[in-house]
Parts: sequence; structure tokens; C-alpha cells
Amino acid sequence: GENVEQHPSTLSVQEGDSAVIKCTYSDSASNYFPWYKQELGKGPQLIIDIRSNVGEKKDQRIAVTLNKTAKHFSLHITETQPEDSAVYFCAATATDSWGKLQFGAGTQVVVTP
Amino acid sequence: GAGVSQTPSNKVTEKGKYVELRCDPISGHTALYWYRQSLGQGPEFLIYFQGTGAADDSGLPNDRFFAVRPEGSVSTLKIQRTERGDSAVYLCASSLTLQREGEQFFGPGTRLTVL
Repeated sequence: GENVEQHPSTLSVQEGDSAVIKCTYSDSASNYFPWYKQELGKGPQLIIDIRSNVGEKKDQRIAVTLNKTAKHFSLHITETQPEDSAVYFCAATATDSWGKLQFGAGTQVVVTP
Repeated sequence: GAGVSQTPSNKVTEKGKYVELRCDPISGHTALYWYRQSLGQGPEFLIYFQGTGAADDSGLPNDRFFAVRPEGSVSTLKIQRTERGDSAVYLCASSLTLQREGEQFFGPGTRLTVL
């Protein structure tokens, strides 16, 4: 089955700087890669996703890149703000197991003013 | 509009007891998912439903775990003979369909503690 590894486990950045989180996956059949943000006491919330026919996707301060050959994808947050502080999870799934998201272990992001 | 709701928000039980966790998906969502999240880890897939039927239950850890969705809306996750290792946050999610465009919307979870 799919195995997703995520790093770093914690990331501390100064407000205004950029944050990058990287994930690798093992199953070459995976073709959908969402990123979730989880705040304390809440469920994960989708912030951006990418499909395997696209190499990069951007939404305001958030961007995701995908390298299918190397089987890795990354989340980039620019101009970080204190409200970006949360745990971020990457995930992967394949068309034949569409609902079965395999999550990484998460990255605790702390943005200091 | 209302999101995914889960009850109870917290459940404390003793080892060996039976528990039921409830999930109310977003109205009109046909697909429903259960995940388990241990402390410091990402959610781990348990089971998902398309309508009333379990489309994939390969994530259920053993036969003490069972989930139902009799009318294609509300779902209940049932755990028999609970063990301390079952302690975790149980997350429910729903999506409009079980298709490529089906973003999963998560509820706040039920924190289960087995003493």
C-alpha cells in the first residue's frame, strides 16, 4: 500500500518568511495529493490539492509542487502570518482507492511575530 | 451551512466496554469516511461508505470495530471490548461524491479515552 513520509516534523518561521514542507510517497499509482491544515481541537481542513497531470498549483500565498518522477510534492507558504500556525498534513491517494487518503505524520508550523 | 458533526466530543470508557461514536455528514453528501488519529500522527483510514454500503473497510484494525450507515446519512462507528490502545481521536469526513472532485470535509472528531 501507499506510504507517505513528511518532513520536517516541526518548523518555526519568522512572520513574513516562507515555509516549505516536503512529502514523499511510495505508490506510483497515486494521482491525487491534498494538503490539510489542522488547528487545535478541530478536524483537518483542505487548503490546496494537486492532481498528477499538473506540476504546480498556486492559491494566493499557498503553492504546491509535484514531481511524479521523484515521487515527491511540497507545500510552500509565502509571507507567513501568525494565523498560519497549525499542523499541516500531506496526503495521497490513487484513483482505484479514491476515498482512502494516506496521510503523512504532520508538520507543526509555528509563526513567530 | 452546517458542517460535519460528531457526537460525543469526548468519551471516556473503561477497558472492555462497548462504545458508539456518531457522525452526521453534510446534508446531501453521499460518501462518508472514518479515520483514527493518534497523538502526534496523521489520520489513519478506517472505512468509507458510498451511500449505505461500505465501499472499503480495509482499514478497520480487527473485528472489534464495525461501522454502519443504514439510511445513507448518519453513520455510527462501534467498538466492542475496548482496549487502551483504542484511545485516539476518531474523525469522520464526508464528500459530495466518491469521485475525483470529492473533497473530504472533516468533523471535529470524538476523543476516545479507554482507561
